[in-house]
Amino acid sequence: EAEVAQSPRYKITEKSQAVAFWCDPISGHATLYWYRQILGQGPELLVQFQDESVVDDSQLPKDRFSAERLKGVDSTLKIQPAELGDSAMYLCASSLSGTGSYNEQFFGPGTRLTVL
Amino acid sequence: AQSVSQHNHHVILSEAASLELGCNYSYGGTVNLFWYVQYPGQHLQLLLKYFSGDPLVKGIKGFEAEFIKSKFSFNLRKPSVQWSDTAEYFCAVKGSGGSYIPTFGRGTSLIVHP
Repeated sequence: EAEVAQSPRYKITEKSQAVAFWCDPISGHATLYWYRQILGQGPELLVQFQDESVVDDSQLPKDRFSAERLKGVDSTLKIQPAELGDSAMYLCASSLSGTGSYNEQFFGPGTRLTVL
Repeated sequence: AQSVSQHNHHVILSEAASLELGCNYSYGGTVNLFWYVQYPGQHLQLLLKYFSGDPLVKGIKGFEAEFIKSKFSFNLRKPSVQWSDTAEYFCAVKGSGGSYIPTFGRGTSLIVHP
C-alpha cells in the first residue's frame, strides 16, 4: 500500500540551529500539506502545495520557516533558526487534489522535533 | 473562521463499554465534518466523514457519528469498544467550498482496558 514517507523520524537540535524535514507524497498526488502538531493539540496547517505552487501559507511563520516543492513531487520544510517553541510533530500529508472536490488526505508518520 | 471543540481530552473505558466522544464546531455556513484516528505508533487516518445527506454516518471498525445541525455537533459513537480502539481521536471541520483543508480539534485520548 502506498504511503507518505517522511524523514527523519526524530530530530533533536539546539536553538538557533537550522533543521530540515523531507516528505515524499504518494505517487500521483498533486497536493501536499505540511502540518505542525504541538503536544496535546490537533494538527495545524502550515503550508499547502498544488504541484509546485504554494496554495496557502498563511499560517507559516515566514521569518524562520520556508517550504519548497521544486519539481512538484517531494518537499522540504526548513526552520532557521530553530526556537524552543518549535518543538512539535511535523506532519506531511498528500491528496490527489486539494481543490474543487474532496480527496482524502493521507498522512505520513511525522518528524518529531525537539529543540533544546 | 471555523473552530472545533473536543471537550473530553482523556477517556478511559473498559472493553465492551459504550463510547461517545463529543465534538462541537463553530461555523456559520455549510460544513463538512470529519473524525480522524491515530493509533499508537501509526499514521493519522480518516475514520469517517460527513458532507451531506443522512446525518448518521458510519465509518470503519464499527464507529459512527451523528451530525446535529441545531447543536453544531458531530459526536463519535461506538456501542462496544475493544482494546484495539485505544488511540487519539480528532474531530475536524471544514466550511464547504474552497480548498479542502479541515481545522482540527485538540484531540481526545482514549484508553481501553482489557
